[in-house]
Amino acid sequence: QKEVEQNSGPLSVPEGAIASLNCTYSDRVSQSFFWYRQYSGKSPELIMSIYSNGDKEDGRFTAQLNKASQYVSLLIRDSQPSDSATYLCAVNRSGNTGKLIFGQGTTLQVKP
Amino acid sequence: EAQVTQNPRYLITVTGKKLTVTCSQNMNHEYMSWYRQDPGLGLRQIYYSMNVEVTDKGDVPEGYKVSRKEKRNFPLILESPSPNQTSLYFCASSLHASGSYNEQFFGPGTRLTVL
Repeated sequence: QKEVEQNSGPLSVPEGAIASLNCTYSDRVSQSFFWYRQYSGKSPELIMSIYSNGDKEDGRFTAQLNKASQYVSLLIRDSQPSDSATYLCAVNRSGNTGKLIFGQGTTLQVKP
Repeated sequence: EAQVTQNPRYLITVTGKKLTVTCSQNMNHEYMSWYRQDPGLGLRQIYYSMNVEVTDKGDVPEGYKVSRKEKRNFPLILESPSPNQTSLYFCASSLHASGSYNEQFFGPGTRLTVL
């Protein structure tokens, strides 16, 4: 079992729709969770961090964390073609190493 | 502007020729890290540093060295590069390793090809 799992996609949604991206993790005591957006050939760009159960909203983005079920999700409202990218889920492993464990990423395609 | 910089951005070299990829951050971050990204394998940590003079191995440290003599700089050294080190490399930094303010910010990447 991979430590952080994501559906590779592609996930295709029409412009203006809600895109829902999901991620599960195996280390039950993980504390910090992140969503990064990565355009092809570019570096990961942090878009959301979440540390406690529940929802966290930032503009069109909402991150959801459920530690009991060990999943974290990202909702993108009013999806735009410019949101088309690979979305990486990352988990800061328990302990104090700071190491991020990344999922393989989900490719999102937003069609005009 | 707060940022992480890397140089060079692109490098083609030959097997065995020592090289250094520089990484610098201007945010006074304690934590710095190097990752490599390969198709099908995703992002994997090479080395990390909790603070000046404190470094440790990540998941794939073989063939690499690092140093942290100053807080802002964290160079990655390949003493004798081999073709299996052809990859896209990212440097990242965060204020702390864990707890609050541990969001990692990435540099623009260095695409390395070893022939």
